[in-house]
Amino acid sequence: AQRVTQPEKLLSVFKGAPVELKCNYSYSGSPELFWYVQYSRQRLQLLLRHISRESIKGFTADLNKGETSFHLKKPFAQEEDSAMYYCALRTGGSYIPTFGRGTSLIVHP
Amino acid sequence: EPEVTQTPSHQVTQMGQEVILRCVPISNHLYFYWYRQILGQKVEFLVSFYNNEISEKSEIFDDQFSVERPDGSNFTLKIRSTKLEDSAMYFCARRTGAHEKLFFGSGTQLSVL
Repeated sequence: AQRVTQPEKLLSVFKGAPVELKCNYSYSGSPELFWYVQYSRQRLQLLLRHISRESIKGFTADLNKGETSFHLKKPFAQEEDSAMYYCALRTGGSYIPTFGRGTSLIVHP
Repeated sequence: EPEVTQTPSHQVTQMGQEVILRCVPISNHLYFYWYRQILGQKVEFLVSFYNNEISEKSEIFDDQFSVERPDGSNFTLKIRSTKLEDSAMYFCARRTGAHEKLFFGSGTQLSVL
């Protein structure tokens, strides 16, 4: 069965510092990985997915199949990046994403 | 993008009572989902609904739970006899196509006393 692990419940950084939110997954096949974000009092929304190879709001994430990781990175954090971030995995056998427990990112001024 | 509206935003109920959570997606969307998140835990899949039928469900989705789309618009999640451990944030989500991303509602916070 597939599993998504986000080892950090909370990540606290200062504005302008680099950010890396970790995500590891367990799945033997070819997965599809996503990052979802939930800002305070807003709904969960897609931030980016690995197949798009895009940078959204300065965030990037690279799928590393060797390390089974999909870490989310941003070189210079902004206060408005403070939110809950969820890594999610979807496999070929199901269209239903499996979510990690989430990491709360707090960016201090 | 079209929104998914969930009502109510908060629901407080006594243990053993029935609750119905509602989701109002756009009528031409075919794929719907319910997820829940217990405080401090991960977002968990409950059930998916395609073409007016359950397509997949998790172990959490036992006989206490049911879903339906009674009027072709509202998508409801019913919990027949609530337990304390049902207290969670319940999210409805929709998807327009097989490989499209999920769009989530703002959630219903259910508190079972």
